[in-house]
Amino acid sequence: AQSVSQHNHHVILSEAASLELGCNYSYGGTVNLFWYVQYPGQHLQLLLKYFSGDPLVKGIKGFEAEFIKSKFSFNLRKPSVQWSDTAEYFCAVRRSDNYGQNFVFGPGTRLSVLP
Amino acid sequence: EPEVTQTPSHQVTQMGQEVILRCVPISNHLYFYWYRQILGQKVEFLVSFYNNEISEKSEIFDDQFSVERPDGSNFTLKIRSTKLEDSAMYFCASMRTGGSSTEAFFGQGTRLTVV
Repeated sequence: AQSVSQHNHHVILSEAASLELGCNYSYGGTVNLFWYVQYPGQHLQLLLKYFSGDPLVKGIKGFEAEFIKSKFSFNLRKPSVQWSDTAEYFCAVRRSDNYGQNFVFGPGTRLSVLP
Repeated sequence: EPEVTQTPSHQVTQMGQEVILRCVPISNHLYFYWYRQILGQKVEFLVSFYNNEISEKSEIFDDQFSVERPDGSNFTLKIRSTKLEDSAMYFCASMRTGGSSTEAFFGQGTRLTVV
C-alpha cells in the first residue's frame, strides 16, 4: 500500500525566510504528486502538481516543488515566506496507473510564519 | 470558476443519530470522493464513487457509512448511527476523469460534531 510521510510536523519561520517542506512516498510505480494547502478554517486548495516531464514544477503564490524519483521525494520550496503563508501543507500521492485511484495524503506540516 | 460545494458547513448531532452530508460536485466531473480529517490529524480517504457505484473504500468506511448520487448532481454521505469518533471535517472531492493528468477539487468541508 502507498504511504506518504512528511518530515516536519510544525515549522516556524520568520517572514522572508526560505522554506522547504519534505515529502516522501512509498510506491514503486508511476505516481502523480500534489501539494495542497489548507488555510485556517478553509478547504484544501491545490498548490501545485506533478504528472510528468520537468521534475521542477512551479505552483501558485511562488511555491515550487522538485520530484526526485530516485529518492521518492517531492519537496516543497519557497524562497521567501510571508505571514499569509501560515497554513497546513499536505503532500498527496496518487497512482497514475489506476483510474479513479484515491489520493493518499501525508500527515501534514503546519507552517507558522511570524511577522 | 466552478467549485465543489458542501452543505451544511457545520452539523451538530447526537450520538446514535443519522446524518447526511451533501456535496454538489463540479458538473462535468465523473469521479467523486469523500475524505475526512479528524481535528489535528491527517486527511483520510473514505470512499470513491464512479459510474454510480463505489469503486474503492477504506477500512473506515464500514456498514455505518453509505454514499449515494440520488439525482445526478448531489453526492451524499450518510452515517447511519453516529459515534463520538465520527466527529471530523468531511471533505467531498470530484475529478473530471480518472486519467493521469487530472487533479481533484475539494469542497470547503462539513464539520461534523457528534455529542
